[in-house]
Amino acid sequence: GAVVSQHPSRVICKSGTSVKIECRSLDFQATTMFWYRQFPKQSLMLMATSNEGSKATYEQGVEKDKFLINHASLTLSTLTVTSAHPEDSSFYICSASRTGYIEPQHFGDGTRLSIL
Amino acid sequence: QKEVEQNSGPLSVPEGAIASLNCTYSDRGSQSFFWYRQYSGKSPELIMFIYSNGDKEDGRFTAQLNKASQYVSLLIRDSQPSDSATYLCAVNMRNTGGFKTIFGAGTRLFVKA
Repeated sequence: GAVVSQHPSRVICKSGTSVKIECRSLDFQATTMFWYRQFPKQSLMLMATSNEGSKATYEQGVEKDKFLINHASLTLSTLTVTSAHPEDSSFYICSASRTGYIEPQHFGDGTRLSIL
Repeated sequence: QKEVEQNSGPLSVPEGAIASLNCTYSDRGSQSFFWYRQYSGKSPELIMFIYSNGDKEDGRFTAQLNKASQYVSLLIRDSQPSDSATYLCAVNMRNTGGFKTIFGAGTRLFVKA
């Protein structure tokens, strides 16, 4: 159990394009979903936390107008990178938790985003 | 002091040995502790979670928690080359408005065949 599906797994697109990444909890309801970014050989960096039906909480330094997060249901959250530029190229990973803090986070397989 | 500290390694052990990974945390009120494994280029996967003081065993993995000393460890018995990865310690800590999961920077483990 506790499977999280993330799609797409890889995106290559031109600068200025907006990219949407989907994160779905397949066999459980996720009260809270998280979005991370990870650059090569660096630690996970939390971008934002989202609870179903409410606005996402962004970490300091993360532009909420650039990284749009929607958590419309207990099984789906989306991250849209708007007007992406080469510096946005990174590995984006979502995770989901039943309760948000007591129970573990379960991670999707990640999306490798390359902006040309 | 970092909220969750791990030795970055690399920790190198021979195949068949016990690998011991350690983690300390700053918030005495923390309630939940997790170990994740991350292979290069992949996302983290949950290995163990522990909530109470003492040991918790699952196959070749044992998580140990000592809340008084604020440390949590992961032992991997009979280490295999396939265990070579970065191991992330994660702790749920009190935060304004609730709790937050803080990840350590990870310890790189190499198991030599």
